Amino acid sequence: NAGVTQTPKFQVLKTGQSMTLQCAQDMNHEYMSWYRQDPGMGLRLIHYSVGAGITDQGEVPNGYNVSRSTTEDFPLRLLSAAPSQTSVYFCASRKLAGRNIQYFGAGTRLSVL
Amino acid sequence: AQSVTQPDIHITVSEGASLELRCNYSYGATPYLFWYVQSPGQGLQLLLKYFSGDTLVQGIKGFEAEFKRSQSSFNLRKPSVHWSDAAEYFCAVYYGGSQGNLIFGKGTKLSVKP
Repeated sequence: NAGVTQTPKFQVLKTGQSMTLQCAQDMNHEYMSWYRQDPGMGLRLIHYSVGAGITDQGEVPNGYNVSRSTTEDFPLRLLSAAPSQTSVYFCASRKLAGRNIQYFGAGTRLSVL
Repeated sequence: AQSVTQPDIHITVSEGASLELRCNYSYGATPYLFWYVQSPGQGLQLLLKYFSGDTLVQGIKGFEAEFKRSQSSFNLRKPSVHWSDAAEYFCAVYYGGSQGNLIFGKGTKLSVKP
């Protein structure tokens, strides 16, 4: 089972560049989310979605855009990368109903120079 | 605001010694509780979870955690630590609802001395 797949695993950007972090899940989960992980800060929620066409902001949404056109995919867009966005990004998914066991991707390590 | 506190940023224990990592959560209602482990450069692995019922839960890799409602705590324990347990450990809570989100503590880094 593939589970939650994130691409790329590593990325280096220059300030001002744009890019999209990809996230796909094959478990038919309605809920998907993006977190960023920074040293000493734990994981902080960026955006989440409870289904196709529905997205909402988390704790740290500034500088990031998301959309959800299909159940499987939940890309995270950085329109103009900043050094403050250097982080490790995790995508997660779960079923909407029932107990919240989230499944995480392996992460994307992003450096913005 | 809902929050999770892991009071210890970094803990060092000797191999074979016992381990307890602390986790406290805010808010009055009993949430669903989780412990995740992250080895260096890796993703998050679920160690164990508490939903209801028996307050002592067993997880993978010999870990267990005890939920104490009176203390709003969910501490992680292991009787004998192995060098491979060196990692960062995250406590997380979820208060329910279809749009409820998982809230993480800031993590505790565990180092193991030979």
